[in-house]
Amino acid sequence: NAGVMQNPRHLVRRRGQEARLRCSPMKGHSHVYWYRQLPEEGLKFMVYLQKENIIDESGMPKERFSAEFPKEGPSILRIQQVVRGDSAAYFCASSPSGKGPLYGYTFGSGTRLTVV
Amino acid sequence: KNEVEQSPQNLTAQEGEFITINCSYSVGISALHWLQQHPGGGIVSLFMLSSGKKKHGRLIATINIQEKHSSLHITASHPRDSAVYICAVYYFGNEKLTFGTGTRLTIIP
Repeated sequence: NAGVMQNPRHLVRRRGQEARLRCSPMKGHSHVYWYRQLPEEGLKFMVYLQKENIIDESGMPKERFSAEFPKEGPSILRIQQVVRGDSAAYFCASSPSGKGPLYGYTFGSGTRLTVV
Repeated sequence: KNEVEQSPQNLTAQEGEFITINCSYSVGISALHWLQQHPGGGIVSLFMLSSGKKKHGRLIATINIQEKHSSLHITASHPRDSAVYICAVYYFGNEKLTFGTGTRLTIIP
């Protein structure tokens, strides 16, 4: 049973380009959470999604960032017109139901985005 | 001020020493997680606690709900335990984790 798969592991983008980060949850998991870890800072919540629904996006920057979790396929975190401050590690976690932090979470290995 | 405070921020110890990492939080929680992150690596969940104590191998986690405090202990520490240890809490009705800033542990052979 494969874990949470994130790709790419490393992504380099020039300022102004778009970054697409993918997260395939564990089999049977229908809830996905995205977190960001800025250099030398702790992890911060970004967005919580179920299939085809955004449940909580209170941690998402208001502009340039969007997330989706379609009926088929991985969850995508999309950053448009990247800036140097977007350089960070982006982690997703999945759970089989809501209240993932209470009933069980599995983290992916993260995508390290570098904006040059 | 972070809602979740960890101490110490950095800890260096000799192989074999008993290690304690502390986590304090400001309001009542439903669960607390201890996570491990190796440099450049992913995040591994070590424990999820809502009360009492859990043990896995050389790792022990305790939580005191009344005092809003948790500790992670490592017995007979080994260089491979060198990592960042992160405490994260979950509040009912708030479907996400809130993280401490982590404790960077280095075990010297």
